[in-house]
Amino acid sequence: SQQGEEDPQALSIQEGENATMNCSYKTSINNLQWYRQNSGRGLVHLILIRSNEREKHSGRLRVTLDTSKKSSSLLITASRAADTASYFCATDKGQGQAGTALIFGKGTTLSVSS
Amino acid sequence: DGGITQSPKYLFRKEGQNVTLSCEQNLNHDAMYWYRQDPGQGLRLIYYSQIVNDFQKGDIAEGYSVSREKKESFPLTVTSAQKNPTAFYLCASSTLTRRRTEAFFGQGTRLTVV
Repeated sequence: SQQGEEDPQALSIQEGENATMNCSYKTSINNLQWYRQNSGRGLVHLILIRSNEREKHSGRLRVTLDTSKKSSSLLITASRAADTASYFCATDKGQGQAGTALIFGKGTTLSVSS
Repeated sequence: DGGITQSPKYLFRKEGQNVTLSCEQNLNHDAMYWYRQDPGQGLRLIYYSQIVNDFQKGDIAEGYSVSREKKESFPLTVTSAQKNPTAFYLCASSTLTRRRTEAFFGQGTRLTVV
């Protein structure tokens, strides 16, 4: 069962442009996380936003969370070729108790060309 | 360096063979997880463990087995009952605190049936 679904599945932009990816989920959550995966590698954590937060920033990343719409967005500003990767949103399986597994969406593949 | 290590990076299995994928972490994390990734499918949860000598099935546990004899280690065995084992396998770990924190991933093992 996949909780989160990212949109679009693929995104191609030029360096310097902004990239926006969206994630929708089905059940109520305590928090939502975004991860990045370079081709053939493990996932790397980018940012975590809790259900009582609406927006969070980390460097060139901006994440928003709308619990009423059950959706989140990840904005990467001033994209670079090195941002080329797949991006996944993840939510907790169950009620979000610590240690419960993360459930991932299918991801958005971002290609940034120079 | 603290981290999570998966081995081997590439693994080839003959039909009918059992194979074991290694996952070791020195982050002192209580929780460990196994995911399977197929192209276009995102990550799917196989098993997870919150404490030594205890583990829970994920969404696609059939044909797989795990053990958690030590806090640092969570090996995954792909048995001959798994009919389509060719995939990229990812191991992860996280703390077991009251509030959700990030998960740390290994670099993955790519398993191919020959």
